[in-house]
Amino acid sequence: GIQVEQSPPDLILQEGANSTLRCNFSDSVNNLQWFHQNPWGQLINLFYIPSGTKQNGRLSATTVATERYSLLYISSSQTTDSGVYFCAVGFAGSQGNLIFGKGTKLSVKP
Amino acid sequence: EPEVTQTPSHQVTQMGQEVILRCVPISNHLYFYWYRQILGQKVEFLVSFYNNEISEKSEIFDDQFSVERPDGSNFTLKIRSTKLEDSAMYFCASSELTGDQPQHFGDGTRLSIL
Repeated sequence: GIQVEQSPPDLILQEGANSTLRCNFSDSVNNLQWFHQNPWGQLINLFYIPSGTKQNGRLSATTVATERYSLLYISSSQTTDSGVYFCAVGFAGSQGNLIFGKGTKLSVKP
Repeated sequence: EPEVTQTPSHQVTQMGQEVILRCVPISNHLYFYWYRQILGQKVEFLVSFYNNEISEKSEIFDDQFSVERPDGSNFTLKIRSTKLEDSAMYFCASSELTGDQPQHFGDGTRLSIL
């Protein structure tokens, strides 16, 4: 069946460290978004990236659609980066609904 | 930058009562969505809406749920007779088109059923 799997489930970093979060998906996609859920529960859209590479400050993302995975890179992590990172995928042939992964919970220690 | 707005931010309701969650999508968007996140779990799709009708709905979206676009700006989710397990964060989203367009999410309504 359709699946979105994120790894690792939990990640603890020291401030200043770099990290890579992964999202694997089971079928062709026409939408892929990365979100950061902050401690207040808000979903902050980081990237819309069904394919290719994008960068925004210390964050960048790459999606290799043919190999069915996406990566989110966080460089020089800060304590404010803490929270849960979700990958959400819109599969080709669907009506546009997003399937979310279970998330990666990131804790950045000072 | 235009954004999706949701009201209220927090709703506390007695079990069995009806609740209406409100959303104002981005003005030129045509597709609207509701998602739900039970505390500590992943975000789950409930329903999508286009051209004044439901496009797709999940198994969660049973007969106690309904959606409506009562005017040109609001998009509502009604839960007819709330249950304890309806306690969750409810997110509204909108997109310009379906499929290969990003969805923009509101800040959510935290619904607590007592």
